[in-house]
Amino acid sequence: EIVLTQSPATLSLSPGERATLSCRASQSVSSYLAWYQQKPGQAPRLLIYDASNRATGIPARFSGSGSGTDFTLTISSLEPEDFAVYYCQQRSNWPPLYTFGQGTKLEIK
Amino acid sequence: QVQLQESGPGLVKPSETLSLTCAVSGYSISSGYYWGWIRQPPGKGLEWIGSIYHSGSTYYNPSLKSRVTISVDTSKNQFSLKLSSVTAADTAVYYCARQGYCSGGSCYSGDWFDPWGQGTLVTVSS
Repeated sequence: EIVLTQSPATLSLSPGERATLSCRASQSVSSYLAWYQQKPGQAPRLLIYDASNRATGIPARFSGSGSGTDFTLTISSLEPEDFAVYYCQQRSNWPPLYTFGQGTKLEIK
Repeated sequence: QVQLQESGPGLVKPSETLSLTCAVSGYSISSGYYWGWIRQPPGKGLEWIGSIYHSGSTYYNPSLKSRVTISVDTSKNQFSLKLSSVTAADTAVYYCARQGYCSGGSCYSGDWFDPWGQGTLVTVSS
């Protein structure tokens, strides 16, 4: 089973700053990785799919990069509404399985 | 606009079966896509439970496979989850979601979950 490890667990930044979140896979997932944002009391929302493609309606300040085992979600300039928990997710071919990272909490400094 | 809504008992006794339904509106399940269930224990991360196609084809998380059944009812445009022999460890918010993504005004089947239902908390307790 492929394990996704996110770092840091908590990231404290101020609005306007740049956020860099990391997701590392225990073995290569090629570009089969997605990022989600979850706010308190809400369901997760898809931000990035296939490592670097923004989903519909996602602001351009969100970008994803990486392939293989190392991936990054970057928020270029934090808005107040961006403070939330972020999860990465991958899919493996066999057994067919989807797994999530443990999450990074982005909090206001 | 596709919307999903989970429903079912909020309290289940240990050793019994958890049963939830996800009603889909704004899209006909018969038209395609896989549809999935994901859960999140309070204060913890996300765990994929399993997925189903409109034809009834399913695949499950190996860690839960022995206890999970997912079914689809295209006539009611909904799909369901049954998890047997529950324990306190199964206490979680249960989400349903469509497997796919939208980009450039179109939506496609895929390995990502979008959109999600609002989730329903199921507590396992006597």
